[in-house]
Amino acid sequence: DQQVKQNSPSLSVQEGRISILNCDYTNSMFDYFLWYKKYPAEGPTFLISISSIKDKNEDGRFTVFLNKSAKHLSLHIVPSQPGDSAVYFCAASVTGTASKLTFGTGTRLQVTL
Amino acid sequence: GEEVAQTPKHLVRGEGQKAKLYCAPIKGHSYVFWYQQVLKNEFKFLISFQNENVFDETGMPKERFSAKCLPNSPCSLEIQATKLEDSAVYFCASSRGPRQQFFGPGTRLTVL
Repeated sequence: DQQVKQNSPSLSVQEGRISILNCDYTNSMFDYFLWYKKYPAEGPTFLISISSIKDKNEDGRFTVFLNKSAKHLSLHIVPSQPGDSAVYFCAASVTGTASKLTFGTGTRLQVTL
Repeated sequence: GEEVAQTPKHLVRGEGQKAKLYCAPIKGHSYVFWYQQVLKNEFKFLISFQNENVFDETGMPKERFSAKCLPNSPCSLEIQATKLEDSAVYFCASSRGPRQQFFGPGTRLTVL
């Protein structure tokens, strides 16, 4: 039972353009969402997060949007840079102590010149 | 330290052998998590600790997997009698609170 889904396994975007990565979830108990970036042979690196009390959070080139009614979130990267090429994972948790993360299966982003 | 450290980087075991993985969380972080990443990028939660206490072990295959976080020692994840299906990358993460988790570089376990 995949509670967090990233339906696009890959995405290719030109440098300078916007990258939009999508994530859907089914568990209505999730109230905290995170995006991680992962390079090969490295651990996931935290990018940005959002609590369910908000619908948008911005940090530099990265913005996460949350639509609770649709159980959907998206990560926008503007402008996209070649160094952004990596696998992006959406993760969700239920607020509480030592909350485990439930991950999506990732979207491989390639930013081309 | 400022980063989560995991050792070894790679581990090769014959089927039925024991495997032991180590994790040093970021100093000051009281929560430690173990995840297993298998094919197709799937991350599976195994176990979490709050200091040395097990908090959530719902993901652990208890018959062969065990984990500890003892004071003043790295946390450990041990697999007794490894099976081929245990081949995966095992990630450790730590956090200060119940929010953002910081991940280590992982240990790649190959069971032959």
